[in-house]
Amino acid sequence: KAGVTQTPRYLIKTRGQQVTLSCSPISGHRSVSWYQQTPGQGLQFLFEYFSETQRNKGNFPGRFSGRQFSNSRSEMNVSTLELGDSALYLCASSLGQSQGYTFGSGTRLTVV
Amino acid sequence: QKEVEQNSGPLSVPEGAIASLNCTYSDRGSQSFFWYRQYSGKSPELIMSIYSNGDKEDGRFTAQLNKASQYVSLLIRDSQPSDSATYLCAVNPNNNNDMRFGAGTRLTVKP
Repeated sequence: KAGVTQTPRYLIKTRGQQVTLSCSPISGHRSVSWYQQTPGQGLQFLFEYFSETQRNKGNFPGRFSGRQFSNSRSEMNVSTLELGDSALYLCASSLGQSQGYTFGSGTRLTVV
Repeated sequence: QKEVEQNSGPLSVPEGAIASLNCTYSDRGSQSFFWYRQYSGKSPELIMSIYSNGDKEDGRFTAQLNKASQYVSLLIRDSQPSDSATYLCAVNPNNNNDMRFGAGTRLTVKP
């Protein structure tokens, strides 16, 4: 059974650019959540999607957005990149509420 | 007050000892609780889930939950060097799948 697949693994972008990250969940998992992980802040919740609808959103600015497609694949977009956006972005999928997550390997974004 | 708090450590135990990791949470209505293990350079991996007060055992791991005290713990018996990792406590505050994580406790098991 394939795990959670995130692409790309690494990205280097310049301040002011935008970036799109992709996540394919485990087959049958309809919930996809996104997290930002930094050494100083730990794992910070970005948003969660279920059946193409954003159900929950964390405390991030509007530059961070996402969407989910009918096949449960999800993308997140960060516009007008800032140096502070440099982080590991993790996607996690689950069967639904109250279930544990399976994480992808993450996308390491570096903003220069 | 942070939603989920853990002692950041580092926690160091000798091989074969019991490692005890603790976590407190702020949302009294939380219903589901998890422990994840994260090796350096890797993504978190789910190792335990607990939903009811009391203990839940899985091999060398025991999760303990006390909702009245808003306290979750993880015990690792017969600790092995391969258990050296950061352990993350996670709480689902509204049962809405917006899981919140603690900062993690770094555990080192010394041979």
